[in-house]
Amino acid sequence: DGGITQSPKYLFRKEGQNVTLSCEQNLNHDAMYWYRQDPGQGLRLIYYSQIVNDFQKGDIAEGYSVSREKKESFPLTVTSAQKNPTAFYLCASSRGPANEQFFGPGTRLTVL
Amino acid sequence: GQQLNQSPQSMFIQEGEDVSMNCTSSSIFNTWLWYKQDPGEGPVLLIALYKAGELTSNGRLTAQFGITRKDSFLNISASIPSDVGIYFCAGQGAAGNKLTFGGGTRVLVKP
Repeated sequence: DGGITQSPKYLFRKEGQNVTLSCEQNLNHDAMYWYRQDPGQGLRLIYYSQIVNDFQKGDIAEGYSVSREKKESFPLTVTSAQKNPTAFYLCASSRGPANEQFFGPGTRLTVL
Repeated sequence: GQQLNQSPQSMFIQEGEDVSMNCTSSSIFNTWLWYKQDPGEGPVLLIALYKAGELTSNGRLTAQFGITRKDSFLNISASIPSDVGIYFCAGQGAAGNKLTFGGGTRVLVKP
């Protein structure tokens, strides 16, 4: 089945630790995105990548880092510099930058 | 930056009712998207609109791209219990691939 997978579904980390969230897609999409969602809020863009080996900061990139070494994969690292990391993280992909985005199931990160 | 106002913020539905929600923007968009999100899940794309004035249906859902390109609305006809969830609008401007999301409309069932 074609789709976007995010793992794990739930993640717990201690304050001060870096943590990497996985996002994989087998839709052959060029563009991939990371969003953050807080309770009762909309989605805010963290980083996006239009093509392999290239990525751009979104609206709230501070405290996060990404890589795009393979077309299928766009991992997000939440660093200890992110002041409020507890949130629901959503990965999305699209065929190209002007096409509609499709979302993965999300990872809920809780920092204790 | 671009702002998207989505209203209402929440609404109660009774089975069989028609409901509608809308989004307005301070800027022009080239694409309007409507998503539905169930609790703890990722948003699912419902309808995509690409031309001003376009009216598109997907089952009991109908969405329109406003003529001014600054607004869009979504109607749900004959609502059923599984329509409960959060509906998001999203607009994509001419500047590129960044989507701007509305704050969501939470649809709940009347007690």
